[in-house]
Amino acid sequence: NAGVTQTPKFRVLKTGQSMTLLCAQDMNHEYMYWYRQDPGMGLRLIHYSVGEGTTAKGEVPDGYNVSRLKKQNFLLGLESAAPSQTSVYFCASTEGTVNTEAFFGQGTRLTVV
Amino acid sequence: EDKVVQSPLSLVVHEGDTVTLNCSYEVTNFRSLLWYKQEKKAPTFLFMLTSSGIEKKSGRLSSILDKKELFSILNITATQTGDSAVYLCAAPRAGSYQLTFGKGTKLSVIP
Repeated sequence: NAGVTQTPKFRVLKTGQSMTLLCAQDMNHEYMYWYRQDPGMGLRLIHYSVGEGTTAKGEVPDGYNVSRLKKQNFLLGLESAAPSQTSVYFCASTEGTVNTEAFFGQGTRLTVV
Repeated sequence: EDKVVQSPLSLVVHEGDTVTLNCSYEVTNFRSLLWYKQEKKAPTFLFMLTSSGIEKKSGRLSSILDKKELFSILNITATQTGDSAVYLCAAPRAGSYQLTFGKGTKLSVIP
C-alpha cells in the first residue's frame, strides 16, 4: 500500500517554464489537497478537490491550476513559473472532510530560477 | 480571520526530558484540532481532538484540548532523539475544507 505518491521529488525550472506535479493515492479517498510549505509560513492550501471532476480554490491559488480527471489522481500545474513559486509542495488526501486524518505525500521541492 | 499560533517556535532539550508544546487557536465554529509530526519530509498524523474527545494519548505522547481557553498542548515524556521534528498544529476553517496550520514548533532532542 503506497499511500500518497508525488512525482517528481525535485525540479528546477526557469522563470516562465511550465510543469505539472502529479499526485496519486491508492486509498480510494474522496478528498485531495495541494499545499505549499515555505519557511516561516507553515502549510498553505493552494487548491483542493472533493471528488472526481471537482476542484476548488484554497488560500493561495494564484498562478496554479489543478485537475482531477480520475479519483486517484490530482494534478497541480504551473503555467508560467515565477521565483515566488519556489517552495516545497505537498499533496494530501482524506477519506472524509479535514476532520479526519490526512495522509501526505513525500513532497516536491521546486526551485524557480 | 482564523488563527493558529504555536509556541515556542523552536526548542532544544536533552534526551529523557519532558516537553510541552503549545497551540492556541481562534477559529469560527470550532470543530477539531489536529497535531502532526513532520520529520524531513511528509507530515504524519498524531492526534485529532474534538469537542467530544479532549484528551488523547499514545505511548509517550499525549495531548489535551482546553475549549474554554482555546488552546491545546502536546506533551512528550522521556524524549528520544527520534522525537526531533517539527510539530504542526492545525484546525479546519468554518464551513470549509481548508486547514489553517500553525507555523510549527521545531523540537531538537540532543543525546
